[in-house]
This record gives sequence, C-alpha cells and structure tokens, in this order.
Amino acid sequence: NAGVTQTPKFQVLKTGQSMTLQCAQDMNHEYMSWYRQDPGMGLRLIHYSVGAGITDQGEVPNGYNVSRSTTEDFPLRLLSAAPSQTSVYFCASSPSLGGRGNTGELFFGEGSRLTVL
Amino acid sequence: AQRVTQPEKLLSVFKGAPVELKCNYSYSGSPELFWYVQYSRQRLQLLLRHISRESIKGFTADLNKGETSFHLKKPFAQEEDSAMYYCALNTGGFKTIFGAGTRLFVKA
Repeated sequence: NAGVTQTPKFQVLKTGQSMTLQCAQDMNHEYMSWYRQDPGMGLRLIHYSVGAGITDQGEVPNGYNVSRSTTEDFPLRLLSAAPSQTSVYFCASSPSLGGRGNTGELFFGEGSRLTVL
Repeated sequence: AQRVTQPEKLLSVFKGAPVELKCNYSYSGSPELFWYVQYSRQRLQLLLRHISRESIKGFTADLNKGETSFHLKKPFAQEEDSAMYYCALNTGGFKTIFGAGTRLFVKA
C-alpha cells in the first residue's frame, strides 16, 4: 500500500493563478481531509469529506474548493491563488465510523509546499 | 469554541532528562485526544491516543478532565525523540483540531 499520496510536492504560483493539489489514498478510507500548516499556527482544517459525494468546510475554507467523486481521490483547488495561501498542505485520511466521521487516527501524506508570489 | 493549546513552541532538554510537553483543550463534549509526531523528513504520524492508555516509545499521556489537559511525558528523553509534536482533539468524529505544535530538541 502506498498510503496517502500527494502531488505535486512543490509548486510556485503567481497571484491569481489556479491550480489543483491532488490527493489519493489506497486504504479504502471513507474520511479524507485537507490541512494547511503554517509556522506558529499548527495544522488548520480546510475541508473534509466523510464519503464520496459529501464534503464540508473546516476552519479555513475560504479560497479553496474540494470535490469527492471517488473514495480514493480528494483534490483541493485554488481558483485564484493569493500570497496568504503560501503554506504546506497536508492531505489526511481515516477509517470510517460508518458515516459518523473518522476514528481520529489520521494517515497523512508527505505534504505539498506551495509558494504564491 | 473548540481549541487546543500547546504553550511551548520549543522545548530543549538534555538526553536522559525527563520531558513533559503540555497540552490543554477546550471542548464541551466528551473529548478524544491524540498526540501526533513529525520526525525530520517523515510524515506526520499518530504517536498515541488517550483511549488506548498505552505507552509508545516510552511516552505516556493522561487525560485530566478537571484540568482539561493531556500532557505528554517521558521519564528519560533520547536524542531520537527530537521532533515536532502536535496535540489533537477529535470533535464528534468529523473534525480533528490541532494545536500549534511543540518542537522538542534533545541535546546530547
């Protein structure tokens, strides 16, 4: 098992550009989520999904879109990048509690470092 | 509001010394608390969870509901314990909230 795979690992954007961070997991986890990691602020939840077709907002959703068409994939879209979105982004998945959320044990990807100029 | 507070950004101890990483939480429900660790050039990974009541790599953490704390402790720190540690709170199964993290540096 590859676990949680994120691409790309590094990306530089100009303000206003759009891009998609890809996340895939091969553990058949129903719960998936996106976090951003910033110095002094820890990890903040952007969006999460409890299953295919179901997504919801986390703590800092503005400027980001997500979709969940399959169990395996949970892409994060930046429609118009801003310098404030410069960060390290982590995708995480977790075994399901049968629609009641996640077990709390999150499995993380390696992270994607995004710089917006 | 749900919140996880780790008051120390950096903790530096000598090898063999005891270490305690502090974590306080704010949550009105029944909390599920976790410690995650990120070693250099490795993925963030679960270290331990309070419901397991187990010791991992010599670390333990006790949930104190009265003080709303979940401090991580180890009696004798090792150099390989140097890492970033995050305390996390699972709120009802749908959101996991992390603290700001504490970087532990164990000196030889």
